[in-house]
Amino acid sequence: SQKIEQNSEALNIQEGKTATLTCNYTNYSPAYLQWYRQDPGRGPVFLLLIRENEKEKRKERLKVTFDTTLKQSLFHITASQPADSATYLCAYTGGFKTIFGAGTRLFVKA
Amino acid sequence: SQTIHQWPATLVQPVGSPLSLECTVEGTSNPNLYWYRQAAGRGLQLLFYSVGIGQISSEVPQNLSASRPQDRQFILSSKKLLLSDSGFYLCAWSIGTEIMNTEAFFGQGTRLTVV
Repeated sequence: SQKIEQNSEALNIQEGKTATLTCNYTNYSPAYLQWYRQDPGRGPVFLLLIRENEKEKRKERLKVTFDTTLKQSLFHITASQPADSATYLCAYTGGFKTIFGAGTRLFVKA
Repeated sequence: SQTIHQWPATLVQPVGSPLSLECTVEGTSNPNLYWYRQAAGRGLQLLFYSVGIGQISSEVPQNLSASRPQDRQFILSSKKLLLSDSGFYLCAWSIGTEIMNTEAFFGQGTRLTVV
């Protein structure tokens, strides 16, 4: 069956460093992947979408890569800030369905 | 601009009681609508989605059901709640076709506790 997996362990980094989160997918070849941010008790908020023919996408301090050979997407936050602390979700859309990974919790320490 | 309303924000219900959660979208037409559930510390599980009025696709067999009586209204129901139905319920919408769907826009969620 189709799966999308993220590192379930929390990621702790120091303010100012680059955070890198990983998303792997199996048994599927999505045309695009999406990344969302979720704060406790809130609904996810869309951040970035990257298509299979795009190697890299940037938005301010965020960067996403998409490697169709490795079946992997990496999500980077440069110059991280405590306000970046949240859970980050990776998702793919197959047909009308958007399927989410379990998310990786990021803690940025001041 | 588009907005999505979901209510109530929190709900405590006894086991065996019925459930009705409502979600409405404003500012767009013919959206794709979704119900997700998130258990504590877990990912989002897709429960139902709808691409049009009266069209419901179920992803997980359980004692929940969904209905779409109007274009921008999506309702999640249960006749008898179980303890395992506790969780954070999220409604979402997107625009698109089976080939290309936009990002999903989420409501603020309903925290359901079944006691």
